Amino acid sequence: AQTVTQSQPEMSVQEAETVTLSCTYDTSENNYYLFWYKQPPSRQMILVIRQEAYKQQNATENRFSVNFQKAAKSFSLKISDSQLGDTAMYFCAYTNNAGNMLTFGGGTRLMVKP
Amino acid sequence: NAGVMQNPRHLVRRRGQEARLRCSPMKGHSHVYWYRQLPEEGLKFMVYLQKENIIDESGMPKERFSAEFPKEGPSILRIQQVVRGDSAAYFCASSLRTPSSYEQYFGPGTRLTVT
Repeated sequence: AQTVTQSQPEMSVQEAETVTLSCTYDTSENNYYLFWYKQPPSRQMILVIRQEAYKQQNATENRFSVNFQKAAKSFSLKISDSQLGDTAMYFCAYTNNAGNMLTFGGGTRLMVKP
Repeated sequence: NAGVMQNPRHLVRRRGQEARLRCSPMKGHSHVYWYRQLPEEGLKFMVYLQKENIIDESGMPKERFSAEFPKEGPSILRIQQVVRGDSAAYFCASSLRTPSSYEQYFGPGTRLTVT
């Protein structure tokens, strides 16, 4: 079974600085998809960024980028120029090529301080 | 384009009652997923449905829980004879499921409280 691990339960960062959230996963598949979701206090799950395993290029969405290391099964999220609105729980998620379900990590609570 | 809709947002049930949670996917999406989130935990997959079919229910408890996605109308997650341990946030997601798109888009969730 696939597992997703987020080893940082909580992190904090000063506004305008950069922070990196870690995620590792375990799978025997070769093709799969990885995602980062943000859950602010409203509890709405918001898709932040996605990465296809067959693509070597790291995904980027504005201030959000990933460092995807397929051999190491690592998928970290970098947030640049942190903003107060980035304060939220962040979940790393995996789905295989069948795409029947997302497997989530336990989450990292990020606090952006003014 | 409206997002995924869930209702009710909050539901309180006494032990032994039934809970019905509704989910309307995004327009054009025919794949629906249900997840459960216990306090301070990540989301756990429950069931995946397409119109009129259950595709994967490997995360559903064997008893008291059922799900459907009829040809017309929203998807329904039904919990019979609720117990305190069913108190959680239940999220629905939908997707397009094209070869280039596996993203799941989530609704705002239903918070179920069993008293």
